[in-house]
Amino acid sequence: QVQLVQSGAEVKKPGASVKVSCKASGYTFTSYYMHWVRQAPGQGLEWMGIINPSGGSTSYAQKFQGRVTMTRDTSTSTVYMELSSLRSEDTAVYYCARDRSPDSSGCPYVWGKGTTVTVSS
Amino acid sequence: QSALTQPASVSGSPGQSITISCTGTSSDVGGYNYVSWYQQHPGKAPKLMIYDVSNRPSGVSNRFSGSKSGNTASLTISGLQAEDEADYYCSSYTSSSTLRFGGGTKLTVL
Repeated sequence: QVQLVQSGAEVKKPGASVKVSCKASGYTFTSYYMHWVRQAPGQGLEWMGIINPSGGSTSYAQKFQGRVTMTRDTSTSTVYMELSSLRSEDTAVYYCARDRSPDSSGCPYVWGKGTTVTVSS
Repeated sequence: QSALTQPASVSGSPGQSITISCTGTSSDVGGYNYVSWYQQHPGKAPKLMIYDVSNRPSGVSNRFSGSKSGNTASLTISGLQAEDEADYYCSSYTSSSTLRFGGGTKLTVL
């Protein structure tokens, strides 16, 4: 079955960077776009960006431009999201989510369980 | 870019129907038939309930339906059940080739 396994919780200091991984299994990794979505405590969902695992092309939300980098490793079917210059407002659960179909890039469908990132001095 | 506009909360009694609205602009909801709806229970990842405005993924109850008129999309849940109590989020593809979520609606089953 399709599964996304994310890396474990992280605690970072302000100004540091964090890199979250998301290992995919159960489908052809390069056929489906992967989204990253975050959710601050008690808040709503916030789309961060998307990566095409086939060619590695990315598109980021304007809010995160210059601070986020999404990459992939096709040999391990893993996508990564790195966020730099962390501040307390980046404390959130970070989700990776595979798109619904190979023809789609706007519908996160299969979600990982989330990775909690805490930014605190 | 601000979130799509959803009511903060809605409520209904078991067996009743409720509708949650999601208002955007002609650059997102009104411009594309790529509106999705997600259900999220506390501490859990979101679950896709509706995609492309009105389509249900396999396994989602037919009590859930979606529609769109102009810049506003709607999710209707009929025959409310206790297990439907959750947060609901809409999302839309945008003219900037990005995704935009709604602020979320807390559904309470009375």
